[in-house]
Amino acid sequence: SQTIHQWPATLVQPVGSPLSLECTVEGTSNPNLYWYRQAAGRGLQLLFYSVGIGQISSEVPQNLSASRPQDRQFILSSKKLLLSDSGFYLCAWRTQGRNSPLHFGNGTRLTVT
Amino acid sequence: LAKTTQPISMDSYEGQEVNITCSHNNIATNDYITWYQQFPSQGPRFIIQGYKTKVTNEVASLFIPADRKSSTLSLPRVSLSDTAVYYCLVGDIFAIMNSGYSTLTFGKGTMLLVSP
Repeated sequence: SQTIHQWPATLVQPVGSPLSLECTVEGTSNPNLYWYRQAAGRGLQLLFYSVGIGQISSEVPQNLSASRPQDRQFILSSKKLLLSDSGFYLCAWRTQGRNSPLHFGNGTRLTVT
Repeated sequence: LAKTTQPISMDSYEGQEVNITCSHNNIATNDYITWYQQFPSQGPRFIIQGYKTKVTNEVASLFIPADRKSSTLSLPRVSLSDTAVYYCLVGDIFAIMNSGYSTLTFGKGTMLLVSP
């Protein structure tokens, strides 16, 4: 069966520090991968998605970036965190099949102080 | 972009059937309707997906009228553990690949509170 791993679960970082969140998927190949952010108020905002290695599309201009160095690995990064980057970050995957549902990881709670 | 509208919150009691309706007046021909459940500090979990009429699985039913401008998630005999936020998502992932335009945007969801 397919599983998605996301770490760390929680992270407290000072303003201006770098960020690296990692997500890996097991049990499937060539998945579509996504990074979402959920701020207070419950809505999920799509940040990045990837349909293949090295292929990254950004939905929202920001100081975050994403990379996909391997087929089932998706990394969210920042060179310098802002207070506004605090939130709940979720990685998700889905198969390439049309309208297949998203499957989410358990998220990373990031607090920028 | 098929924007969705859901009630902000709903209250129910254990054992009751709960129906959560989502409005999506601008749904496109290729769009599917998907519902997710989210508990605090966890990622959303897929519940059910449909295109038209009725879909049923082991946890819920999804009712979609002929005009597809709304959908209703039905949870039979809810329990306390069904207290969560429920999201209605309308979109066609295929559109992302062709145009780069994302339709997979979540709204704020419906907070369902189940009481004893």
